[in-house]
Amino acid sequence: DAGVTQSPTHLIKTRGQQVTLRCSPKSGHDTVSWYQQALGQGPQFIFQYYEEEERQRGNFPDRFSGHQFPNYSSELNVNALLLGDSALYLCASSFKAGGHRGTDTQYFGPGTRLTVL
Amino acid sequence: QKEVEQNSGPLSVPEGAIASLNCTYSDRGSQSFFWYRQYSGKSPELIMFIYSNGDKEDGRFTAQLNKASQYVSLLIRDSQPSDSATYLCAVPGYSSASKIIFGSGTRLSIRP
Repeated sequence: DAGVTQSPTHLIKTRGQQVTLRCSPKSGHDTVSWYQQALGQGPQFIFQYYEEEERQRGNFPDRFSGHQFPNYSSELNVNALLLGDSALYLCASSFKAGGHRGTDTQYFGPGTRLTVL
Repeated sequence: QKEVEQNSGPLSVPEGAIASLNCTYSDRGSQSFFWYRQYSGKSPELIMFIYSNGDKEDGRFTAQLNKASQYVSLLIRDSQPSDSATYLCAVPGYSSASKIIFGSGTRLSIRP
């Protein structure tokens, strides 16, 4: 049973560039959430995709955008990179059971380490 | 006020002892709580979740929840060097059933 996969593992970019990160959810999962984790901090929610639409969004600027494909995989795009975008980017997948205030358990991929110079 | 608060540590515990990790949360409506373990340079791994007041045990791990005090803790019995990691407390966001809000994590070090 394949877990959550992410690519690439590491990435180095310069300020102003654009980057695309990719995620394939765990088998049987249909929902993908993206998080940014700066050094020494907990993960911060960026947004979530379900049924190919952005369903929830955290406090991140429009430079951060995403997409979900029919096979449930997802991309995170960041435009006009800033030094402060350097972080570990985590993808988490889950199965949307339609729970109310309860949360569907999320499983994380290995992450993509982005360094902006 | 942060929505999920944890002591950053490091918390140093001798091998074989009980490690106690604590977390407080601000949203009284929170129903479920998660503990993730994160080794240095790796992604978070879900180790426990708890929905009801009281204790939930899984092997050497016990999660304790007190909704009246808005407090959740994780106990690790018979601590091993392999338990050395950062432990993240997490709760669902108020406006969504699926967004998760994480604390900043407590770094735990088990000394031989």
